[in-house]
Amino acid sequence: GQQVMQIPQYQHVQEGEDFTTYCNSSTTLSNIQWYKQRPGGHPVFLIQLVKSGEVKKQKRLTFQFGEAKKNSSLHITATQTTDVGTYFCAGYSGGGADGLTFGKGTHLIIQP
Amino acid sequence: DGGITQSPKYLFRKEGQNVTLSCEQNLNHDAMYWYRQDPGQGLRLIYYSQIVNDFQKGDIAEGYSVSREKKESFPLTVTSAQKNPTAFYLCASNPGPSYGYTFGSGTRLTVV
Repeated sequence: GQQVMQIPQYQHVQEGEDFTTYCNSSTTLSNIQWYKQRPGGHPVFLIQLVKSGEVKKQKRLTFQFGEAKKNSSLHITATQTTDVGTYFCAGYSGGGADGLTFGKGTHLIIQP
Repeated sequence: DGGITQSPKYLFRKEGQNVTLSCEQNLNHDAMYWYRQDPGQGLRLIYYSQIVNDFQKGDIAEGYSVSREKKESFPLTVTSAQKNPTAFYLCASNPGPSYGYTFGSGTRLTVV
């Protein structure tokens, strides 16, 4: 079945440093979604990417979808303490009614 | 405000018992999903439903059962056949395939 790999599993940064998490799928994706889960909370939808090579920005967050639609990245510029949490990518292969396949997430830890 | 309500927030179960986790949404979404989250494992799909009175198994359906008698409700029963039920259970919904998910706040189940 479809697998979605995400690296790194943990990332420690100093406040103000940049952060990037990478996502790779074993199959070509119809779209990819990104979620953020704060400690003790539930995942919250951030964005969806659909087109090959697509780049979207939300303030300090930049999301990219690879040309082959098998990989994606999330980059945060100048991290803040409010960015703490786990970032998940989730891929949808399309062609049916299956749910999303989630990566295992990247835990972002920020040191003041 | 529209959203997804999961109850209870915490649940303790004795070995050999069945328990039912509630999930209700007032978003008028057709699709609903159940995911299980374990530390370091990301989210794994248990069951999903695209329409009332219809549902499909996800990747880890063994030991679980669901029903979808109403559009708003998608309860999950964790049966005694589930070997390791201690986990964080998340219910989600969306308008259909390739839309972002809205998650409930989750139920943390512990076997005692």
